[in-house]
Amino acid sequence: DAKTTQPPSMDCAEGRAANLPCNHSTISGNEYVYWYRQIHSQGPQYIIHGLKNNETNEMASLIITEDRKSSTLILPHATLRDTAVYYCIVRVLWRGNEKLTFGTGTRLTIIP
Amino acid sequence: EAQVTQNPRYLITVTGKKLTVTCSQNMNHEYMSWYRQDPGLGLRQIYYSMNVEVTDKGDVPEGYKVSRKEKRNFPLILESPSPNQTSLYFCASSSGQGETQYFGPGTRLLVL
Repeated sequence: DAKTTQPPSMDCAEGRAANLPCNHSTISGNEYVYWYRQIHSQGPQYIIHGLKNNETNEMASLIITEDRKSSTLILPHATLRDTAVYYCIVRVLWRGNEKLTFGTGTRLTIIP
Repeated sequence: EAQVTQNPRYLITVTGKKLTVTCSQNMNHEYMSWYRQDPGLGLRQIYYSMNVEVTDKGDVPEGYKVSRKEKRNFPLILESPSPNQTSLYFCASSSGQGETQYFGPGTRLLVL
């Protein structure tokens, strides 16, 4: 599995953009970068994913560097409800098992 | 509403008393999976299923069984629960072929 490295915690002021970094220097050419978040002990929630190009959806933007060794998740206008643990995952597809390997993630706290 | 449901959400039981945690999805997904989440260990895959009657072990299958008799259901069976199976359990599903996985709300199990 390609490993990911994330800072253990970050704070962001409410209304500001939250930028969450992730390093995945051993990623393979056909592996996608996925972001999930987990609010308290709820089920992980899908946010966004990408391969090479930057991606945007209604929740967030994903910026992937040209060498694909790192990425940044951007929450453009953070709210208190965005307080959660954010996981950067490189997806492994092996013999049909689409296992997601969750690391320890980044605990993002939105400050009022 | 597209969703993954789990029952029960909370369960306290005693060592050795067989139990089943149900998982159901209404998205006609082919792929389903069970994870457990423990402090400091992240989410670890227990079992997965690529389709009806097709199941396989994940990373931590010992002490668990699963079945996939229908596409929508993927129950997790603990034949003889032990205290080390006290954990937070999540079911997930996807349409397969690398598509996004959606998680259930979780089942918190305490084995005394």
